[in-house]
Amino acid sequence: GNSVTQMEGPVTLSEEAFLTINCTYTATGYPSLFWYVQYPGEGLQLLLKATKADDKGSNKGFEATYRKETTSFHLEKGSVQVSDSAVYFCAPYFGNEKLTFGTGTRLTIIP
Amino acid sequence: DSGVTQTPKHLITATGQRVTLRCSPRSGDLSVYWYQQSLDQGLQFLIQYYNGEERAKGNILERFSAQQFPDLHSELNLSSLELGDSALYFCASSVAPLNGYTQYFGPGTRLTVL
Repeated sequence: GNSVTQMEGPVTLSEEAFLTINCTYTATGYPSLFWYVQYPGEGLQLLLKATKADDKGSNKGFEATYRKETTSFHLEKGSVQVSDSAVYFCAPYFGNEKLTFGTGTRLTIIP
Repeated sequence: DSGVTQTPKHLITATGQRVTLRCSPRSGDLSVYWYQQSLDQGLQFLIQYYNGEERAKGNILERFSAQQFPDLHSELNLSSLELGDSALYFCASSVAPLNGYTQYFGPGTRLTVL
């Protein structure tokens, strides 16, 4: 069946460090892929998305590339800031009219 | 601000009671989704409506029901509340049933059952 596996947290990094949050999926087809972010006390916001293989989504310095070969959509940022502290959710759309959210990865950036 | 509004922001009630959560989607969005976020279950999809019709159902309990009205706002009704129903309930909307379309989330309603 369709499923998503997201890197478990929490993740704690120093400011300006490099960030990777892993996300892999299992699917019978080719899902659209989303990363959502939830800042403290707020609802989820779309961070970036990619709808087909080799597409790269990017926003606010974050990037993720749709890798069909490895069924992955890892989130990366070259230099994190304190304001990036949040919970990040990988969410494939498998075509059943709902997003399937990963477990979420809590990221804390230390000044 | 996503453009999705949810009321109330906080709700405290007792076990056995019934509550109604309300959601207004972004202007022009026809699809509404309800999610439950709890510490032990993570983010769970409950139910989806499109232009007044139920389109998809997730892990929604029989004690819970929802509807979408002609003006496209939606209500989630939770009855016979239990302690375990305490959670954040999010509403999201999109232009159409999700197919690469972005879902926009409201700020959530925090439900506490005592």
